[in-house]
Amino acid sequence: AQSVTQLDSHVSVSEGTPVLLRCNYSSSYSPSLFWYVQHPNKGLQLLLKYTSAATLVKGINGFEAEFKKSETSFHLTKPSAHMSDAAEYFCVVRVYNFNKFYFGSGTKLNVKP
Amino acid sequence: DVKVTQSSRYLVKRTGEKVFLECVQDMDHENMFWYRQDPGLGLRLIYFSYDVKMKEKGDIPEGYSVSREKKERFSLILESASTNQTSMYLCASSFAEDRGLYEQYFGPGTRLTVT
Repeated sequence: AQSVTQLDSHVSVSEGTPVLLRCNYSSSYSPSLFWYVQHPNKGLQLLLKYTSAATLVKGINGFEAEFKKSETSFHLTKPSAHMSDAAEYFCVVRVYNFNKFYFGSGTKLNVKP
Repeated sequence: DVKVTQSSRYLVKRTGEKVFLECVQDMDHENMFWYRQDPGLGLRLIYFSYDVKMKEKGDIPEGYSVSREKKERFSLILESASTNQTSMYLCASSFAEDRGLYEQYFGPGTRLTVT
């Protein structure tokens, strides 16, 4: 069975401090992993993706994520938060050779001035 | 840039009405998806289509149907709207499996209220 767990429903950081959004997955097959961001009243935008190449993946807006197979994790990080990063973030697993995407329940990031 | 458009941003319908939500993509994607998004539940797949006239049920298909007559267009139909179908509906598209490009591209969403 496949599933995605985002460990925090809300994360609050101060502007300029690091961001860590945690994601654990379970998959019986080799997964592709994604992070999406959703700003209020908008659709989801792809931040970055892992598809079995480099385990450290760089995305847009300074975000990156590391695929750790032994820990079944794909945590999203950013060295320095910006006010414009305030949004909801979704971790997504796609199982190889199946056309299904499994979404985490989302983490709302609040950035304080 | 990939563009996925949805016919309405906001929609208000009455219980029992038949509701059509339209989605169009301009990237020649084979796959198209309909999700609903509710607070605390993330996105849940209603239906997806991997080719014209082909469809598969997702996790919550009850009360919904879909239509894909053309490659670029995927419609979600609520046969008889109910208040528990009040939600944000998101359409997405992606290339087929064998293209090696797996990410989905999302439309802006339709916020449907059923009264």
